[in-house]
Amino acid sequence: EVQLVQSGGEVKKPGESLRISCKASGYRFSNYWIGWVRQMPGKGLEWMAIIYPGDSDTRYSPSFRGHVTISIEKSTSTAYLQWNNLKASDTALYYCARHGSAAEYFVHWGQGTLVTVSS
Amino acid sequence: SYELTQPPSVSVSPGQTARITCSGDALPKKFAYWYQQKSGQAPVLVISEDSRRPSGIPERFSGSSSGTVATLTISGTQVEDEGDFYCYSTHTSGNYTYGVFGGGTKLTVL
Repeated sequence: EVQLVQSGGEVKKPGESLRISCKASGYRFSNYWIGWVRQMPGKGLEWMAIIYPGDSDTRYSPSFRGHVTISIEKSTSTAYLQWNNLKASDTALYYCARHGSAAEYFVHWGQGTLVTVSS
Repeated sequence: SYELTQPPSVSVSPGQTARITCSGDALPKKFAYWYQQKSGQAPVLVISEDSRRPSGIPERFSGSSSGTVATLTISGTQVEDEGDFYCYSTHTSGNYTYGVFGGGTKLTVL
């Protein structure tokens, strides 16, 4: 069974750095694109970025490129999303999600990580 | 950047047919996908590749696409179908492809 278990909620101050994680299990980590989706409070889903663990190929939405960094650790089957300079507008629920087989869309989703940025 | 446009809300009575549209310039060349998100839950894929229904999704959910508009149809809508629905597709610029979600449509069944 595919499982994506995300790290717990975070409360940070503007300007701080943060890395949240998504530990995958139940499948061969290297073989599937994995990525992140933002959902701001009361708002819709926003596609942020994906990475292919097999060769670390990454794709970013133009809206998020330069603001976040997606990465992976193959030895622990974990994907990460990192900020170096958090803003209040980064307050949101962040979902980790995995593509399906030979697919370009998310099939499996994590439980979400709530990030709150407030002074 | 590329956008997919959905109506903010759709309302139907139980048993009626609900139709949710998604407009995008690239949809003639790209597949549309549909996700349902119930309150407090992660999204669930209900339609892939314009019209394919994943295993476990009720037959009342169907999808179609014509030109720049993809449509999710829920026949015999049930109260349990309430939630937010998002279309999704990919956009290619040069040799760079990324995903895009529509703004979402709140389905109310009353």
